[in-house]
Amino acid sequence: DAGITQSPRHKVTETGTPVTLRCHQTENHRYMYWYRQDPGHGLRLIHYSYGVKDTDKGEVSDGYSVSRSKTEDFLLTLESATSSQTSVYFCAISSDRAPNYGYTFGSGTRLTVV
Amino acid sequence: ILNVEQSPQSLHVQEGDSTNFTCSFPSSNFYALHWYRWETAKSPEALFVMTLNGDEKKKGRISATLNTKEGYSYLYIKGSQPEDSATYLCACRSSGNTPLVFGKGTRLSVIA
Repeated sequence: DAGITQSPRHKVTETGTPVTLRCHQTENHRYMYWYRQDPGHGLRLIHYSYGVKDTDKGEVSDGYSVSRSKTEDFLLTLESATSSQTSVYFCAISSDRAPNYGYTFGSGTRLTVV
Repeated sequence: ILNVEQSPQSLHVQEGDSTNFTCSFPSSNFYALHWYRWETAKSPEALFVMTLNGDEKKKGRISATLNTKEGYSYLYIKGSQPEDSATYLCACRSSGNTPLVFGKGTRLSVIA
């Protein structure tokens, strides 16, 4: 999607290893979000950021950490990957929390933990 | 955590049929509602943002209404086409300081 990219697009990793997913935006948006998508659960919020070095936990934050040292990058780290973290991860950005501002989503990262 | 529910979970219609589906949310805890269209292997794309009771939005053959007093929104598709096949996501936020909470989506399949 224009203005927001996720890397890698696909990754296979072993249980117990750390993994970092990257979300990069060129829109200079203040807000960035990490969601995971699993069958039967829809999109669930992991962590979000409301500015550089300002982050907060979402609904399913256990086992994940995030960092935002620059406006354009929001990193999601799985500290010690488990099979339950096999999922598709979506990053989203938003310019403001005013009600008429929606999210723009990245293309997703498919992570498989074996 | 805000509870956003969508029904039905999936829907199969014939080309040319009109259809609608529902998003329910707590009426006592409402700030804004968003509808997204999500095609397989792509990213969700924004359709509508609605904030006021009685809001109606339209985009081509797709329209949506909002009832904040009773806590629901309807999405309508008139004259469904195969290209309308997608998952339609509803998301709500309870204040300006909270992220969107998504429902599980309604998967629409339009059969030619």
